[in-house]
Amino acid sequence: LAKTTQPISMDSYEGQEVNITCSHNNIATNDYITWYQQFPSQGPRFIIQGYKTKVTNEVASLFIPADRKSSTLSLPRVSLSDTAVYYCLVGSTSGTYKYIFGTGTRLKVLA
Amino acid sequence: GAVVSQHPSRVICKSGTSVKIECRSLDFQATTMFWYRQFPKQSLMLMATSNEGSKATYEQGVEKDKFLINHASLTLSTLTVTSAHPEDSSFYICSARVPAGGHTYEQYFGPGTRLTVT
Repeated sequence: LAKTTQPISMDSYEGQEVNITCSHNNIATNDYITWYQQFPSQGPRFIIQGYKTKVTNEVASLFIPADRKSSTLSLPRVSLSDTAVYYCLVGSTSGTYKYIFGTGTRLKVLA
Repeated sequence: GAVVSQHPSRVICKSGTSVKIECRSLDFQATTMFWYRQFPKQSLMLMATSNEGSKATYEQGVEKDKFLINHASLTLSTLTVTSAHPEDSSFYICSARVPAGGHTYEQYFGPGTRLTVT
């Protein structure tokens, strides 16, 4: 199971683009990268998932370099409501994989 | 996306009693569900993997006789905290894995259950 490392916390201002990088040096060939957002006293919410290069959806982009040892979640023009904890997870597409959560990144968006 | 519900959302029980928490997949079938526990200001800790029709697989350090998991149908998994003590007070979260196409999976989480043992 790939271990992930993220910055513990980040501050940003409203309207800015936020990039959160995750390190997963021992990612396996079958592993995908998934990001989740969690607000206090709520379950994590799926944001985006990818395998390589770039993935974009209506809320975020995910950049994955060729060696796949890291990934960057990009949140465009954050608002106060984006204040949350963001988790990077690595999970295999095969077998009975299970997500092991790291510390996550506590993002605080300031007015 | 797929919806996972939990019931109850909040429960208070007395020390020594047992509490059952339900996790349901509302619009899909889930052969595999997961149970996590989260203490304040901490990350989620995986407790066990719940497989429909078979015994749950517990993570190291999690007492299987204390945290009973039953996954009797493709849409329901239950976690029973037996003989609860104040140290079992925590936020319990379940999740279900859904095929997302192309041999990938997405995992959806329930809203969590806040357990307080007095």
